[in-house]
Amino acid sequence: GENVEQHPSTLSVQEGDSAVIKCTYSDSASNYFPWYKQELGKRPQLIIDIRSNVGEKKDQRIAVTLNKTAKHFSLHITETQPEDSAVYFCAGEKLVFGKGTKLTVNP
Amino acid sequence: DVKVTQSSRYLVKRTGEKVFLECVQDMDHENMFWYRQDPGLGLRLIYFSYDVKMKEKGDIPEGYSVSREKKERFSLILESASTNQTSMYLCASSLWRDRGGEQYFGPGTRLTVT
Repeated sequence: GENVEQHPSTLSVQEGDSAVIKCTYSDSASNYFPWYKQELGKRPQLIIDIRSNVGEKKDQRIAVTLNKTAKHFSLHITETQPEDSAVYFCAGEKLVFGKGTKLTVNP
Repeated sequence: DVKVTQSSRYLVKRTGEKVFLECVQDMDHENMFWYRQDPGLGLRLIYFSYDVKMKEKGDIPEGYSVSREKKERFSLILESASTNQTSMYLCASSLWRDRGGEQYFGPGTRLTVT
């Protein structure tokens, strides 16, 4: 079955810095890669996704890049704010999620 | 606004009991999913359904079964609860039949089996 590896498991940054979370996947047939954010005590919510026909997608301070050759995709958050503190999950098309990254943004 | 609801936020059951977790979505979504979430393990897919009375096993179906008698309702059943099934259970739904689309999650049910 598909395998999705996510790194790092924890990430601590200062407010205003950038944060990058990386995922690798095993199924070369996958074409859809979402990122979910889960704030403490709340449900996961989609923040951005990318399909394999594009290499990058941006939405304000967040962006996702995809390298199909290397089979990895990354979440980039610029100008981080304390409200970005949460657990972030990547996923592959076959509904396999990464183990999550706990991001802490220190004011 | 999509709404996915789950029957209980917290549930405490005894070993060997039969447990029903209910999920309802109000947006006429075709796909529904059950995950369990454990610290350090992320979200793991138990079962999913892309149509009424249809079901498919996910990555960890052992010890669970599901029922989808109506499009809006997807039930997770623990036939004989065990302590290793203590976990947070999340239901989700998505619009499209194929797997590439946004999933909307319910608030979760924290199940404790003693």
